[in-house]
Amino acid sequence: KQEVTQIPAALSVPEGENLVLNCSFTDSAIYNLQWFRQDPGKGLTSLLLIQSSQREQTSGRLNASLDKSSGRSTLYIAASQPGDSATYLCAVRRLDSNYQLIWGAGTKLIIKP
Amino acid sequence: DVKVTQSSRYLVKRTGEKVFLECVQDMDHENMFWYRQDPGLGLRLIYFSYDVKMKEKGDIPEGYSVSREKKERFSLILESASTNQTSMYLCASSRPRTGRSPYNEQFFGPGTRLTVL
Repeated sequence: KQEVTQIPAALSVPEGENLVLNCSFTDSAIYNLQWFRQDPGKGLTSLLLIQSSQREQTSGRLNASLDKSSGRSTLYIAASQPGDSATYLCAVRRLDSNYQLIWGAGTKLIIKP
Repeated sequence: DVKVTQSSRYLVKRTGEKVFLECVQDMDHENMFWYRQDPGLGLRLIYFSYDVKMKEKGDIPEGYSVSREKKERFSLILESASTNQTSMYLCASSRPRTGRSPYNEQFFGPGTRLTVL
């Protein structure tokens, strides 16, 4: 059974620092992995999607990597800003499913001015 | 841009009430989803619909039902609300996966925070 874990559950860093959020999954048979952002009381915004054949994806100050063999993905945020404060979730799509996403519980990130 | 809207941002109901949560998407997506989100548990799929009048149970369908009479609208129904259904409810939509198409991301609504007293 696929399980997705995000550690730590919460992270607080000063503004301007580069940081890495972690996501691990137990079954490497995935179709893709997606990183989302959730602001308090709001829905989810997709940040990056990495196909199983890809190693990384970049969007602005964000870079997501995928290592299927080790069951790990990282989300790198460069030059963090207070506006980056949010909860970040990762989700993997199973190979055998048209739609099923398995979700991590998220990392709550606080960027201190 | 894909837009997914949910009928209420906050809702307070009493135990035993019948509750309707509505979701509408404007991108002609075939797939629609209802999740609930609880602290420390991540998102859990309640129901999924891949076409009008078609539905599949997700991981936690007990106590819930759904209705999809039109392609753009997907309703979640709590037949008799209970306190353990207090949660954040998120609706999402996506195109179907066809062949090896990777472009079937799920797009989410803002969520409905339901409190059952």
